Amino acid sequence: AQSVTQLDSQVPVFEEAPVELRCNYSSSVSVYLFWYVQYPNQGLQLLLKYLSGSTLVKGINGFEAEFNKSQTSFHLRKPSVHISDTAEYFCAVRYSTGRRALTFGSGTRLQVQP
Amino acid sequence: DAGVIQSPRHEVTEMGQEVTLRCKPISGHDYLFWYRQTMMRGLELLIYFNNNVPIDDSGMPEDRFSAKMPNASFSTLKIQPSEPRDSAVYFCASSSSVQETQYFGPGTRLLVL
Repeated sequence: AQSVTQLDSQVPVFEEAPVELRCNYSSSVSVYLFWYVQYPNQGLQLLLKYLSGSTLVKGINGFEAEFNKSQTSFHLRKPSVHISDTAEYFCAVRYSTGRRALTFGSGTRLQVQP
Repeated sequence: DAGVIQSPRHEVTEMGQEVTLRCKPISGHDYLFWYRQTMMRGLELLIYFNNNVPIDDSGMPEDRFSAKMPNASFSTLKIQPSEPRDSAVYFCASSSSVQETQYFGPGTRLLVL
């Protein structure tokens, strides 16, 4: 079975500072990886996804993530955060074949301070 | 496109009452998912459909929960009878078989008193 671990439940950071949100997954088969963002009282919005190809994936709002198969990681990064980036971020995984449902991590709350 | 539409956005009910949550997926999408979000368990899949047929309902908590998809543009999730532990935000999401992104609705925030 697949699982996703987001080690940091909260990440406080100052505006314009860089940030990295960590995600590790476990799966014995090929997977697809996703990062979603959830603003207060809203649904989830896709930031970026890795399906195949280049391990560095660029998404919306200046975010990027790097797939590292040997370390089974998919960390999310942004070189300079804004106050508006304050939200909950979820890493998710699904098998590349078969079952379509996503398995989510527990989420990381990014708190950007002025 | 209007995106995934869910109704109601908020629901407050008393224990023992029947609750019906509704979802309209994005037109042309052939996959529909129901997820539940709670503080204790995070985001978890309840059930998903492909071409209106339930494929995986292993996340449905118990017989009190049922989901249907009578056509490609409508799905319901019903809880009968409801219990306080069912209080959560219920999300509907849809995707197409030709791309991997699941698009989420705004969610229904359910409170069972």
